[in-house]
Amino acid sequence: DGGITQSPKYLFRKEGQNVTLSCEQNLNHDAMYWYRQDPGQGLRLIYYSQIVNDFQKGDIAEGYSVSREKKESFPLTVTSAQKNPTAFYLCASRSSRGPIYEQYFGPGTRLTVT
Amino acid sequence: GQQVMQIPQYQHVQEGEDFTTYCNSSTTLSNIQWYKQRPGGHPVFLIQLVKSGEVKKQKRLTFQFGEAKKNSSLHITATQTTDVGTYFCAGPSESNTGKLIFGQGTTLQVKP
Repeated sequence: DGGITQSPKYLFRKEGQNVTLSCEQNLNHDAMYWYRQDPGQGLRLIYYSQIVNDFQKGDIAEGYSVSREKKESFPLTVTSAQKNPTAFYLCASRSSRGPIYEQYFGPGTRLTVT
Repeated sequence: GQQVMQIPQYQHVQEGEDFTTYCNSSTTLSNIQWYKQRPGGHPVFLIQLVKSGEVKKQKRLTFQFGEAKKNSSLHITATQTTDVGTYFCAGPSESNTGKLIFGQGTTLQVKP
């Protein structure tokens, strides 16, 4: 059964702690993405990776870090430098083969930092 | 920078009424995609439009891509409670076609 998994679904952390969100896909997709969604807001791109061992900053990368050591995995670390980390985090992947380039989203992780 | 804007932000309709959301891009797009996000869920791809003036239908949903490829619309005929959610349009970034620029979304509420 192909898809994207994110874990955990809910995550609670204290301020000042780093936290890593997991994203795994078995769709054999080259590209992977991390988005942040705040209540009533659209999707803002944090980081993306188009190939293993390479990634680029999105629009709101400050306070976040990623790695892409394997094609299947794209973990996101929310560092203590992120000023307002409480949000819904969505991971997505996309095939590089056309003609349709839709993104497949995971179920998301709701992070609450207090 | 490149922007994709959607209106309205929210829409409340009575079940059975029609609904339309509009998407406008600051730049010409090679294609436009539409996604639906149910409350508490994640975005799910609905459709991609590529050609100027293209119209595609999925049951009660009609998608249009403008002649200038800078705007698009999604029209739902005779809404049902299952249509509730947020509808996003998205277009590829000019600087990197691997990136999508999402609109802010239109949240649809349907009263039974």
